[in-house]
Amino acid sequence: GDSVTQMEGPVTLSEEAFLTINCTYTATGYPSLFWYVQYPGEGLQLLLKATKADDKGSNKGFEATYRKETTSFHLEKGSVQVSDSAVYFCALTIYNFNKFYFGSGTKLNVKP
Amino acid sequence: DGGITQSPKYLFRKEGQNVTLSCEQNLNHDAMYWYRQDPGQGLRLIYYSQIVNDFQKGDIAEGYSVSREKKESFPLTVTSAQKNPTAFYLCASSIDRQGKTEQFFGPGTRLTVL
Repeated sequence: GDSVTQMEGPVTLSEEAFLTINCTYTATGYPSLFWYVQYPGEGLQLLLKATKADDKGSNKGFEATYRKETTSFHLEKGSVQVSDSAVYFCALTIYNFNKFYFGSGTKLNVKP
Repeated sequence: DGGITQSPKYLFRKEGQNVTLSCEQNLNHDAMYWYRQDPGQGLRLIYYSQIVNDFQKGDIAEGYSVSREKKESFPLTVTSAQKNPTAFYLCASSIDRQGKTEQFFGPGTRLTVL
């Protein structure tokens, strides 16, 4: 079935460190891929997305590339800030199925 | 400003009582969704609706009910049949019925059953 697997957290980094959060997927069709961010006690906010293979989504210094050959959509940021501390969710949707599949979330802690 | 509102933000109920969580959107989106999130966990789909007067069960629909009488509203009732209702509930919507575009989320309601 369709699913998303992302690396377990928490991930703890120092400010200005490089961030990678791994996400791999299994899909029966042609998925669109998303990264969402959740701050404590809040809903999810869309961070970036990619709708076809080789697309790169980017926003606020974060980026992720849709890799069909490795079924991956890893999130990266070159220099994290304390304000990036949050939980990050990878997600996919399959066209015409109208359902979203979310990973279990990866908590990021950034220390000053 | 367009968006999704959920009320209340915090809700306390006694065990055995039904409770209804509100979700309203002014984005003119066709599809709406309800998710449950437990501490340190991902999201689990409760119900979703692609169009007014129609809705489908998600992965954990037992003990919950919904209605979709208006395009902008999708209330969720947590019934006494739900064995462990304490959780964070998130409502979402998306512009197209096919689910190809992203979902937009409300701020959530934290339900605590005493």
